[in-house]
Amino acid sequence: AQTVTQSQPEMSVQEAETVTLSCTYDTSESDYYLFWYKQPPSRQMILVIRQEAYKQQNATENRFSVNFQKAAKSFSLKISDSQLGDAAMYFCAYRVGGSQGNLIFGKGTKLSVKP
Amino acid sequence: EPEVTQTPSHQVTQMGQEVILRCVPISNHLYFYWYRQILGQKVEFLVSFYNNEISEKSEIFDDQFSVERPDGSNFTLKIRSTKLEDSAMYFCASSVHWTISSYNEQFFGPGTRLTVL
Repeated sequence: AQTVTQSQPEMSVQEAETVTLSCTYDTSESDYYLFWYKQPPSRQMILVIRQEAYKQQNATENRFSVNFQKAAKSFSLKISDSQLGDAAMYFCAYRVGGSQGNLIFGKGTKLSVKP
Repeated sequence: EPEVTQTPSHQVTQMGQEVILRCVPISNHLYFYWYRQILGQKVEFLVSFYNNEISEKSEIFDDQFSVERPDGSNFTLKIRSTKLEDSAMYFCASSVHWTISSYNEQFFGPGTRLTVL
């Protein structure tokens, strides 16, 4: 069974600084996707960034980037130049590729941004 | 920009009562999902729905739960006899079906908070 583990229940970062959120996963599949979702206090889940397992290049979306280590089954999220609006719960998620399958989420990391 | 909508935003019910949670997926989307998030816990998959039938369901989705697409726009989750442990945030999501790509982003609605007393 696939599992997603986020070992940091809470993290804190100073505004304008950089923070890295950790995620590890377990799967026997070779084709899959990994995601980071943001859930602000409004509670709507917003996709931040995704990574296809077959791509070696790490995904980047503006201030958000990932460090995807396929062999280690690690998928961390780096937020650069942190802003107050980045404060939220961040969920790492996994989905098997080639299908419309469901997402498997980690327990989340609560990120606080200090002014 | 099109978005997934859910009603009501908050539902309070008595244990044993039936509730129906409603979702309007994005109009050209064909796959629909329900997830739930018990307060302080991770988001858990309940069920996926395609072509008017259940595609996948989790162990959580027992006989107390059912889903329906009663018309061309709504997608509903019914809980027949609510229990205290059904109290959670319920998220609907939808995705479009592209045959040429295996990636289809799931767009989430804002959620319905269900409180069972």
